[in-house]
Amino acid sequence: DIQMTQSPSTLSASVGDRVTITCRASQSISSWLAWYQQKPGKAPKLLIYKASSLESGVPSRFSGSGSGTEFTLTISSLQPDDFATYYCQQYNSYPITFGQGTRLEIK
Amino acid sequence: QLQLQESGPGLVKPSETLSLTCTVSGGSISSSSYYWGWIRQPPGKGLEWIGSIYYSGSTYYNPSLKSRVTISVDTSKNQFSLKLSSVTAADTAVYYCARHRGYLPHYWGQGTLVTVSS
Repeated sequence: DIQMTQSPSTLSASVGDRVTITCRASQSISSWLAWYQQKPGKAPKLLIYKASSLESGVPSRFSGSGSGTEFTLTISSLQPDDFATYYCQQYNSYPITFGQGTRLEIK
Repeated sequence: QLQLQESGPGLVKPSETLSLTCTVSGGSISSSSYYWGWIRQPPGKGLEWIGSIYYSGSTYYNPSLKSRVTISVDTSKNQFSLKLSSVTAADTAVYYCARHRGYLPHYWGQGTLVTVSS
C-alpha cells in the first residue's frame, strides 16, 4: 500500500493568513493526489484533484501543487469557514489511501 | 441533484455481519462514467477506503478488509450495498458511500454511524 504522510498534524492560524499543508507519498503517485476538507459531523468535501485542479464550486483561494511524492495545499487568505480538518488522498493505485489529516484551528 | 443516502442498523453485535445500503437518487448507478464505493472513519480518527464496485459488478477491495467484505450492486433499485462479516469493536465507525470518478471518491453521502457492541 502507498503510505501518505501529512504535516503538520495541527496548524494554528488567523483569518487572513496564508497557510500551507504538506503531503508526502511513500512512492511516486504522479499527480494522482486529491485534497479534502472535513468539518465536524460532515462528510469530506473534495477541494482539489489531480494535484492542482480545483473542483467545481471551490473558492480560488485554495490551490494545490506537486507531483511524484511531494504535494502541498495552500489557502491564500484564510476565511472563518476554512477552519476544519484537511486530508490528502492518493488515487494512483488501489487501495486508495489517505493521509492522517491536518487540523486547522484558529489561533 | 445527486444524492447518496446510507441506511442500515446503527448497532451490530460482535462476530455478526454489518450490512449497509446506499441509495442513489438524481443519477443512475448504471452510468458508465462512475464507480461506487464505501469509506469509513472511526470516531475521532482518519479515513479508510473499504472498496468500490462498477455497475457491471466488478469490484475492488482494500486488502486489509478483503476477507470480510462484499460489495454488491442492484441496478434495478439504484442501490449498492456493503457487507462486513465477523465485526469487532474496531469496526465501529461512520460509514460513507461515495461516487467515484475513476479511482477518486468525489461525491459523498452524509455517512451513518455503526457501533459494534453487545
